[in-house]
Amino acid sequence: DGGITQSPKYLFRKEGQNVTLSCEQNLNHDAMYWYRQDPGQGLRLIYYSQIVNDFQKGDIAEGYSVSREKKESFPLTVTSAQKNPTAFYLCASSIISGTGLYEQYFGPGTRLTVT
Amino acid sequence: SQQGEEDPQALSIQEGENATMNCSYKTSINNLQWYRQNSGRGLVHLILIRSNEREKHSGRLRVTLDTSKKSSSLLITASRAADTASYFCATDARRGSTLGRLYFGRGTQLTVWP
Repeated sequence: DGGITQSPKYLFRKEGQNVTLSCEQNLNHDAMYWYRQDPGQGLRLIYYSQIVNDFQKGDIAEGYSVSREKKESFPLTVTSAQKNPTAFYLCASSIISGTGLYEQYFGPGTRLTVT
Repeated sequence: SQQGEEDPQALSIQEGENATMNCSYKTSINNLQWYRQNSGRGLVHLILIRSNEREKHSGRLRVTLDTSKKSSSLLITASRAADTASYFCATDARRGSTLGRLYFGRGTQLTVWP
C-alpha cells in the first residue's frame, strides 16, 4: 500500500519531556510537512522540507525541531520549550511542482497529550 | 496569518439538501484546493482549481473560483449523512520564497442529518 503513516496514534507525556512523532511515506514525494491542529482551528504549519537534509520553519516552529535524513522520513520532536504542546499533529507529503500544482497527502495524525 | 477563511464556521442541513461553503483569501494564488477531514482523522484532498479556471466539477462537488473577489465556493449536491465532516480551503499564495507550502483556513463544520 502506498501512503503516509504516523505513529503512534495517541501519545501521552509528562511536562518537561521531549517527544518525537514519527512520519513515514512511501509515495516518493520530495516535500513533507508538519502541521498542528487545535480544537476548532485550522492547520498551522510547523516545519516543512522540500529536499533531504533541508527544511524550513513554518508559522509556529518555536519549541519544535525536525530532521530529514531520508526522503521517506520526517520526524518531529516536540521539545520541553513548547509551551502548549497538547494538540493533534498532522504530517503530509506532496510532489514539488514549479507551477505550484500539487495536492498534499495526509497521514492519520498523532494526538499528543502532555500533562 | 492564515490565507484562507471559510464561511460559515458551521452548517447543518438535512440529507438531500445542497451544502455551500465559501472561502475568501487575501493574496494572489496559483491554485486553491479543498480538503475534507472526518473527526479525528487526517485531511483528504477533494479538488484543486487553478487560478485561470472558474469552475470545476468532481462527482457531487462543484467548486467555483472568482479571483477578482479572491473567493471560492464549494457546493456539495444531494448531501448524505456520510458527508458530515470539516471542510477546509487551502491556497498556495504567489510568494516566491514560500513555493511549496499551503495556507489553510479554519474550516467549515458540515453536519448532515439523516
